[in-house]
Amino acid sequence: DSGVTQTPKHLITATGQRVTLRCSPRSGDLSVYWYQQSLDQGLQFLIQYYNGEERAKGNILERFSAQQFPDLHSELNLSSLELGDSALYFCASSVDPSSYEQYFGPGTRLTVT
Amino acid sequence: AQTVTQSQPEMSVQEAETVTLSCTYDTSESNYYLFWYKQPPSRQMILVIRQEAYKQQNATENRFSVNFQKAAKSFSLKISDSQLGDTAMYFCAFRANYGGSQGNLIFGKGTKLSVKP
Repeated sequence: DSGVTQTPKHLITATGQRVTLRCSPRSGDLSVYWYQQSLDQGLQFLIQYYNGEERAKGNILERFSAQQFPDLHSELNLSSLELGDSALYFCASSVDPSSYEQYFGPGTRLTVT
Repeated sequence: AQTVTQSQPEMSVQEAETVTLSCTYDTSESNYYLFWYKQPPSRQMILVIRQEAYKQQNATENRFSVNFQKAAKSFSLKISDSQLGDTAMYFCAFRANYGGSQGNLIFGKGTKLSVKP
């Protein structure tokens, strides 16, 4: 158990819908990262937050957004869902951006039908 | 932009044998980390080993060791005395140590390793 929790574990929804994925980092970790793992794109970095502020963006679609709240949990919002958004979404956390180790949550499996 | 390439989509090895997984990367950075992550069928991402670019000595963690060739931008993983529990996807990853992309992991496509009894 990495100490990072993600909810829900599985999510099945229809095209055009909107979903919210939630992540609670390890106690004491200020940085949160979101990654997407799909058959087409592999594992790719989406977005990074540090202590409530967006710090870096990767290959995140405009239909996707995220935020980190004062209690440091983070949410990834996916809207106007398409079939190609079906993927495993990981959250990871670290003490800060300079920490070499990121602790991954178990992931949320999103299926868009 | 950094890229990570794993040229072996699948590999297999007999239990107790040794196997080497390949990884090459491209970067103009001088200060970075390299990692190998394991993803078993449970899908959990597990850190296997890390290497700091400024260290010439190759990292070792029990049965896992790396061959880090900085000039060649090569970072291979050697698994000795392979065990059935080593069956998993293995991802090579790069992380810059400063700048706006500090902390973000760039992953290769992965190598699926099967350990056969």
